[in-house]
Amino acid sequence: QVQLEESGGGVVQPGRSLRLSCAASGFTFSSYGMHWVRQAPGKGLEWVAFIYYDGVNKYYVDSVKGRFTISRNNSKSTLHLQMNSLRVEDTAVYYCARDLRPVGSLGDPFDYWGQGTLVTVSS
Amino acid sequence: EIVLTQSPATLSLSPGERATLSCGASQSVSSSYLAWYQQKPGLAPRLLIYDASSRATGIPDRFSGSGSGTDFTLTISRLEPEDFAVYYCQQYGSSPPITFGQGTRLEIK
Repeated sequence: QVQLEESGGGVVQPGRSLRLSCAASGFTFSSYGMHWVRQAPGKGLEWVAFIYYDGVNKYYVDSVKGRFTISRNNSKSTLHLQMNSLRVEDTAVYYCARDLRPVGSLGDPFDYWGQGTLVTVSS
Repeated sequence: EIVLTQSPATLSLSPGERATLSCGASQSVSSSYLAWYQQKPGLAPRLLIYDASSRATGIPDRFSGSGSGTDFTLTISRLEPEDFAVYYCQQYGSSPPITFGQGTRLEIK
């Protein structure tokens, strides 16, 4: 069965960095585009970043461009989100999620999600 | 960027009733690339409908989606107790960025 498990969340001061990971299992990870989505406490969903199945192309929401980097290791079935220069407004639960269809571009819904990892940015 | 506006913000209904949730887009959604998700407290969202009207795997047929262009609807034909949750629409046709609506809370009346 498909499983996605995030890790790496925690409490961090503004301006510091954090690296999130998402361990995938139960499917051919290297065939699927992957996303990070976040949800601030009590708020709605916000798409953060996407990486192609082969890692070649990456896309970001404007608010994190230049600060966050999405990457993947297909040999280890792992997705990462390097978050630098963190701001209070980055506080959220961060989910990794999988594209519905394999070998796609940025144009698919998300059929599997992890349980999320909480990032709190506070002084 | 396509802005999605969901209405109503909160919908109060009883089990057995029909629910109609709306999602309006600020511009036409390419290829009807619109999805609906259900989220319960403390859990990740669950994909219900994609490509405007296709049900995801394992989703009961009381859930249906319709619409095109800028107006989309999620209908739950007969509410079950487990259907009370928050529902989000998402567009993925004109991206980046992928965008979500602000959500509709479906609560028990």
